[in-house]
Amino acid sequence: AQKITQTQPGMFVQEKEAVTLDCTYDTSDQSYGLFWYKQPSSGEMIFLIYQGSYDEQNATEGRYSLNFQKARKSANLVISASQLGDSAMYFCAMRGLYNFNKFYFGSGTKLNVKP
Amino acid sequence: DTEVTQTPKHLVMGMTNKKSLKCEQHMGHRAMYWYKQKAKKPPELMFVYSYEKLSINESVPSRFSPECPNSSLLNLHLHALQPEDSALYLCASSQVQGAPSNQPQHFGDGTRLSIL
Repeated sequence: AQKITQTQPGMFVQEKEAVTLDCTYDTSDQSYGLFWYKQPSSGEMIFLIYQGSYDEQNATEGRYSLNFQKARKSANLVISASQLGDSAMYFCAMRGLYNFNKFYFGSGTKLNVKP
Repeated sequence: DTEVTQTPKHLVMGMTNKKSLKCEQHMGHRAMYWYKQKAKKPPELMFVYSYEKLSINESVPSRFSPECPNSSLLNLHLHALQPEDSALYLCASSQVQGAPSNQPQHFGDGTRLSIL
C-alpha cells in the first residue's frame, strides 16, 4: 500500500524568504513518481514539480525544487523567494508503477506568505 | 485557464433533484478521474476511466453515477444526494499506463456543489 504523510498542517513564511514543505512516503513499489500540487482558494489543482524514484538529481522548476532523499523516503518541496501569490494549499502525491492510474495524496500544508 | 474544463462552476440542488456535472479535455488523455474534496482535506478518488471504461470505483454510493461517452468527455450524474455530499468535485485527466511516469494529472477548476 502507498501512503503519503505531510506533517505540517500550516506554515507561515515572510515574503521573499525560502520555505520547505515536508513530505514523507511509504511504498513497496521499486518504481514510483512523486508530485507536488498547489491549490489556491479558487480550487484548481496546479501541478508544480515531479520527481521519479530513479532520478539521480533533484528536480527543479523555476522557484520550486524538490529535496529528494530516497533512503529516508522524503520528498520535500522548497519554494525560494516566496511571493504573496504562493499562499495556498500544497499537496504531495505519489503514483506507483503497478497501479498507474491511482494517485495517493497527502493531507496537505496550508502556506501563508506574509508581506 | 486550465486545459480541463468543468461545468457548472457552482451548483445548488435539493436532495430530490437530478443534475449532472460535466468535464471535458482535449489533450488526448485516455484516463479521466472524478474526485471529491471537502474543505481543507485532500482530494478523495471516486472513479477512474481508462480508455472510456470504468477501471476504478472507490465504493462510491450509487447516487453518484459516472459516464464517459467518449475520450474527451466525462460526466457525473447526481440523484438523491445527501447534505454530506456538499463538496468540491474535481475532474482530472492523464495519460494511461505505458506513458512516461512523469506525466501528472491535469485538473479542472472544480464544481462547488451544495446540497440543501
